[in-house]
Amino acid sequence: DAGVIQSPRHEVTEMGQEVTLRCKPISGHNSLFWYRQTMMRGLELLIYFNNNVPIDDSGMPEDRFSAKMPNASFSTLKIQPSEPRDSAVYFCASSYQNSPLHFGNGTRLTVT
Amino acid sequence: QKEVEQNSGPLSVPEGAIASLNCTYSDRGSQSFFWYRQYSGKSPELIMFIYSNGDKEDGRFTAQLNKASQYVSLLIRDSQPSDSATYLCAVTWGTASKLTFGTGTRLQVTL
Repeated sequence: DAGVIQSPRHEVTEMGQEVTLRCKPISGHNSLFWYRQTMMRGLELLIYFNNNVPIDDSGMPEDRFSAKMPNASFSTLKIQPSEPRDSAVYFCASSYQNSPLHFGNGTRLTVT
Repeated sequence: QKEVEQNSGPLSVPEGAIASLNCTYSDRGSQSFFWYRQYSGKSPELIMFIYSNGDKEDGRFTAQLNKASQYVSLLIRDSQPSDSATYLCAVTWGTASKLTFGTGTRLQVTL
């Protein structure tokens, strides 16, 4: 089992640019979660999908953020336009039914 | 607003001692409770979960849950330097997989 795979591991971009983060959940898992982690706020849930359908996006900070899950094995989180305050580590996690979450290695985003 | 509170630390304990990490939560409807360990620069990894009042033991780790007082704790016996990490408490309401995390307690085990 390869675990949850995220790409890229690191992303450095300039303010105003579009950023796309990618996630491949564990095969067979039917729930996928996007979290953001900062020193000040810790781990915050942005959005989660169940069977590829967005269930709760109340944590998405603003319209600049969007997430998609076109199939069971792929999800993207897009920020357009990016801002310096978006700098954080973004984690994707997946689970099966109500099992505990398995996290990917994260994407460290730096917006200058 | 459902909240999970943890002391940020650092909590410093000598090698071989018992480390006690605490977490409180705001909503009595909370159903499941999890402890994750996160090393610096790494992703959170699950250590233990507990659903019922009382203690649950797994090796050197014991999770304790008291729903009446709305707290959950993690005890680490015979602490080792490799236990030095940030410990995240997480709670679910309703959907078991939708976790709300505390900000974590940094544990330092000294030689």
